[in-house]
Amino acid sequence: QQQVKQSPQSLIVQKGGISIINCAYENTAFDYFPWYQQFPGKGPALLIAIRPDVSEKKEGRFTISFNKSAKQFSLHIMDSQPGDSATYFCAASINSNQFYFGTGTSLTVIP
Amino acid sequence: DAGVIQSPRHEVTEMGQEVTLRCKPISGHNSLFWYRQTMMRGLELLIYFNNNVPIDDSGMPEDRFSAKMPNASFSTLKIQPSEPRDSAVYFCASRENSPLHFGNGTRLTVT
Repeated sequence: QQQVKQSPQSLIVQKGGISIINCAYENTAFDYFPWYQQFPGKGPALLIAIRPDVSEKKEGRFTISFNKSAKQFSLHIMDSQPGDSATYFCAASINSNQFYFGTGTSLTVIP
Repeated sequence: DAGVIQSPRHEVTEMGQEVTLRCKPISGHNSLFWYRQTMMRGLELLIYFNNNVPIDDSGMPEDRFSAKMPNASFSTLKIQPSEPRDSAVYFCASRENSPLHFGNGTRLTVT
Protein backbone atom coordinates (compact mmCIF):
# COMPACT_ATOMS: atom_id res chain seq x y z
CA GLN A 1 0.00 0.00 0.00
CA GLN A 2 1.39 3.35 -1.06
CA GLN A 3 1.74 5.48 2.06
CA VAL A 4 2.17 8.69 0.08
CA LYS A 5 0.37 9.31 -3.20
CA GLN A 6 1.93 11.77 -5.63
CA SER A 7 0.63 13.41 -8.78
CA PRO A 8 1.11 14.13 -11.58
CA GLN A 9 3.53 11.50 -12.85
CA SER A 10 4.97 13.99 -15.33
CA LEU A 11 4.69 17.72 -15.88
CA ILE A 12 5.72 20.05 -18.67
CA VAL A 13 5.90 23.77 -17.90
CA GLN A 14 7.03 26.78 -19.88
CA LYS A 15 9.97 28.78 -18.57
CA GLY A 16 8.69 31.37 -16.12
CA GLY A 17 5.58 29.40 -15.30
CA ILE A 18 4.48 27.80 -12.03
CA SER A 19 5.03 24.09 -11.44
CA ILE A 20 2.72 22.41 -8.94
CA ILE A 21 3.13 18.89 -7.60
CA ASN A 22 0.67 17.37 -5.17
CA CYS A 23 0.91 14.68 -2.50
CA ALA A 24 -1.58 13.07 -0.15
CA TYR A 25 -1.17 10.82 2.86
CA GLU A 26 -3.35 8.88 5.27
CA ASN A 27 -1.26 8.28 8.38
CA THR A 28 -1.82 11.20 10.77
CA ALA A 29 1.26 10.14 12.74
CA PHE A 30 3.52 11.54 10.03
CA ASP A 31 5.37 14.53 11.45
CA TYR A 32 7.88 15.54 8.80
CA PHE A 33 7.29 16.15 5.08
CA PRO A 34 10.34 16.70 2.89
CA TRP A 35 10.61 17.19 -0.85
CA TYR A 36 13.56 15.75 -2.73
CA GLN A 37 14.95 16.69 -6.14
CA GLN A 38 16.76 14.13 -8.27
CA PHE A 39 18.83 14.71 -11.40
CA PRO A 40 19.76 11.84 -13.73
CA GLY A 41 22.60 9.75 -12.37
CA LYS A 42 22.39 11.35 -8.95
CA GLY A 43 20.76 10.50 -5.66
CA PRO A 44 17.76 12.46 -4.40
CA ALA A 45 18.73 15.67 -2.60
CA LEU A 46 16.68 17.48 0.00
CA LEU A 47 14.99 20.53 -1.48
CA ILE A 48 12.67 21.83 1.22
CA ALA A 49 10.76 20.35 4.16
CA ILE A 50 7.88 21.21 6.44
CA ARG A 51 6.40 20.07 9.73
CA PRO A 52 2.62 19.89 10.25
CA ASP A 53 2.49 22.81 12.68
CA VAL A 54 2.80 25.32 9.84
CA SER A 55 0.72 25.73 6.68
CA GLU A 56 3.36 27.11 4.37
CA LYS A 57 7.11 27.29 4.01
CA LYS A 58 8.96 29.25 1.38
CA GLU A 59 12.58 29.07 0.34
CA GLY A 60 13.42 31.19 -2.68
CA ARG A 61 11.29 30.07 -5.61
CA PHE A 62 10.15 26.91 -3.81
CA THR A 63 7.09 26.81 -1.54
CA ILE A 64 5.42 23.97 0.33
CA SER A 65 1.73 24.37 1.08
CA PHE A 66 0.41 22.07 3.79
CA ASN A 67 -3.22 21.26 4.53
CA LYS A 68 -3.36 19.18 7.68
CA SER A 69 -7.13 18.63 7.68
CA ALA A 70 -7.09 17.40 4.10
CA LYS A 71 -3.88 15.44 4.63
CA GLN A 72 -2.37 16.97 1.54
CA PHE A 73 0.74 18.95 0.75
CA SER A 74 2.11 20.43 -2.43
CA LEU A 75 5.27 21.87 -3.91
CA HIS A 76 5.08 25.08 -5.92
CA ILE A 77 7.99 26.17 -8.06
CA MET A 78 7.62 29.80 -9.07
CA ASP A 79 9.30 31.22 -12.19
CA SER A 80 10.27 27.71 -13.28
CA GLN A 81 13.62 27.45 -15.06
CA PRO A 82 15.08 24.81 -17.42
CA GLY A 83 17.56 23.97 -14.65
CA ASP A 84 14.62 22.87 -12.50
CA SER A 85 14.00 19.98 -14.90
CA ALA A 86 14.37 16.92 -12.66
CA THR A 87 12.34 14.30 -10.84
CA TYR A 88 10.70 15.45 -7.63
CA PHE A 89 9.70 13.18 -4.76
CA CYS A 90 7.53 14.00 -1.81
CA ALA A 91 8.01 12.01 1.37
CA ALA A 92 6.61 11.61 4.85
CA SER A 93 8.13 10.25 8.01
CA ILE A 94 7.41 9.46 11.64
CA ASN A 95 10.11 10.60 14.04
CA SER A 96 12.42 10.71 10.99
CA ASN A 97 13.00 6.99 11.31
CA GLN A 98 11.14 5.66 8.31
CA PHE A 99 10.70 7.77 5.21
CA TYR A 100 7.92 6.89 2.78
CA PHE A 101 8.34 8.32 -0.70
CA GLY A 102 5.86 9.20 -3.39
CA THR A 103 6.32 7.70 -6.84
CA GLY A 104 7.93 10.82 -8.24
CA THR A 105 7.09 13.56 -10.76
CA SER A 106 9.23 14.14 -13.80
CA LEU A 107 9.31 17.89 -14.44
CA THR A 108 10.39 19.33 -17.77
CA VAL A 109 10.71 23.10 -18.11
CA ILE A 110 10.68 24.21 -21.71
CA PRO A 111 12.84 27.25 -22.59
CA ASP B 1 31.79 16.84 3.77
CA ALA B 2 32.33 14.09 1.20
CA GLY B 3 28.72 12.99 1.33
CA VAL B 4 27.51 9.41 1.26
CA ILE B 5 29.86 7.31 -0.84
CA GLN B 6 28.65 4.23 -2.68
CA SER B 7 30.60 1.72 -4.71
CA PRO B 8 30.60 0.52 -7.35
CA ARG B 9 28.65 3.07 -9.42
CA HIS B 10 27.73 0.40 -11.94
CA GLU B 11 27.61 -3.36 -11.62
CA VAL B 12 26.80 -5.81 -14.39
CA THR B 13 26.61 -9.44 -13.42
CA GLU B 14 25.14 -12.71 -14.60
CA MET B 15 22.18 -14.37 -13.01
CA GLY B 16 23.19 -16.56 -10.10
CA GLN B 17 26.27 -14.55 -9.17
CA GLU B 18 26.81 -12.88 -5.81
CA VAL B 19 26.69 -9.09 -5.75
CA THR B 20 27.96 -6.86 -2.95
CA LEU B 21 27.14 -3.16 -2.80
CA ARG B 22 29.06 -0.90 -0.44
CA CYS B 23 28.27 2.30 1.40
CA LYS B 24 30.19 4.77 3.52
CA PRO B 25 27.79 7.09 5.37
CA ILE B 26 28.53 10.67 6.32
CA SER B 27 30.74 10.79 9.39
CA GLY B 28 28.69 11.31 12.54
CA HIS B 29 25.42 10.11 11.06
CA ASN B 30 23.87 7.44 13.26
CA SER B 31 21.22 6.07 10.90
CA LEU B 32 21.76 4.33 7.57
CA PHE B 33 19.17 3.33 5.02
CA TRP B 34 19.23 1.14 1.91
CA TYR B 35 16.71 1.95 -0.83
CA ARG B 36 15.98 0.39 -4.20
CA GLN B 37 14.68 2.52 -7.08
CA THR B 38 12.85 1.17 -10.11
CA MET B 39 10.54 2.80 -12.63
CA MET B 40 7.67 0.56 -11.59
CA ARG B 41 7.93 0.83 -7.80
CA GLY B 42 9.79 4.08 -7.18
CA LEU B 43 11.94 4.31 -4.04
CA GLU B 44 11.51 1.33 -1.76
CA LEU B 45 13.05 1.10 1.69
CA LEU B 46 14.88 -2.19 2.06
CA ILE B 47 16.41 -1.90 5.53
CA TYR B 48 17.64 0.71 7.97
CA PHE B 49 20.14 0.72 10.83
CA ASN B 50 20.36 2.89 13.94
CA ASN B 51 23.77 2.93 15.61
CA ASN B 52 24.86 -0.03 13.46
CA VAL B 53 21.90 -2.18 14.58
CA PRO B 54 19.30 -3.31 11.99
CA ILE B 55 15.96 -1.87 13.06
CA ASP B 56 13.58 -2.78 10.26
CA ASP B 57 14.34 -5.19 7.45
CA SER B 58 10.76 -5.81 6.43
CA GLY B 59 11.46 -4.28 3.02
CA MET B 60 14.11 -6.83 2.14
CA PRO B 61 12.41 -8.74 -0.68
CA GLU B 62 13.77 -12.21 -0.08
CA ASP B 63 16.32 -14.23 1.82
CA ARG B 64 18.63 -13.69 -1.11
CA PHE B 65 19.15 -10.16 0.23
CA SER B 66 21.22 -9.43 3.32
CA ALA B 67 22.72 -6.28 4.80
CA LYS B 68 25.37 -5.66 7.39
CA MET B 69 26.82 -2.68 9.19
CA PRO B 70 29.96 -3.85 10.99
CA ASN B 71 30.87 -0.33 12.11
CA ALA B 72 29.64 3.25 11.94
CA SER B 73 31.47 3.99 8.70
CA PHE B 74 30.62 1.03 6.50
CA SER B 75 27.66 -1.00 5.33
CA THR B 76 27.10 -3.67 2.69
CA LEU B 77 24.08 -4.97 0.83
CA LYS B 78 24.55 -8.45 -0.59
CA ILE B 79 22.42 -10.32 -3.08
CA GLN B 80 23.06 -14.02 -3.49
CA PRO B 81 22.15 -15.43 -5.90
CA SER B 82 21.24 -12.46 -8.07
CA GLU B 83 18.31 -12.56 -10.51
CA PRO B 84 17.38 -10.33 -13.47
CA ARG B 85 14.47 -8.83 -11.49
CA ASP B 86 17.00 -7.42 -9.02
CA SER B 87 18.13 -4.98 -11.71
CA ALA B 88 17.62 -1.49 -10.25
CA VAL B 89 19.45 1.47 -8.77
CA TYR B 90 20.34 0.89 -5.13
CA PHE B 91 20.76 3.93 -2.92
CA CYS B 92 22.32 4.25 0.48
CA ALA B 93 21.33 7.19 2.68
CA SER B 94 22.34 8.39 6.11
CA ARG B 95 21.01 10.92 8.58
CA GLU B 96 21.59 12.68 11.83
CA ASN B 97 18.54 14.74 12.91
CA SER B 98 15.98 14.65 10.09
CA PRO B 99 17.11 15.08 6.47
CA LEU B 100 18.16 11.99 4.57
CA HIS B 101 21.40 12.38 2.63
CA PHE B 102 21.62 10.05 -0.34
CA GLY B 103 24.61 8.68 -2.18
CA ASN B 104 24.67 8.64 -5.98
CA GLY B 105 23.59 5.03 -6.10
CA THR B 106 24.77 1.78 -7.66
CA ARG B 107 23.12 0.81 -10.92
CA LEU B 108 22.84 -2.97 -10.90
CA THR B 109 22.15 -4.94 -14.06
CA VAL B 110 21.67 -8.68 -13.80
CA THR B 111 21.67 -10.48 -17.15
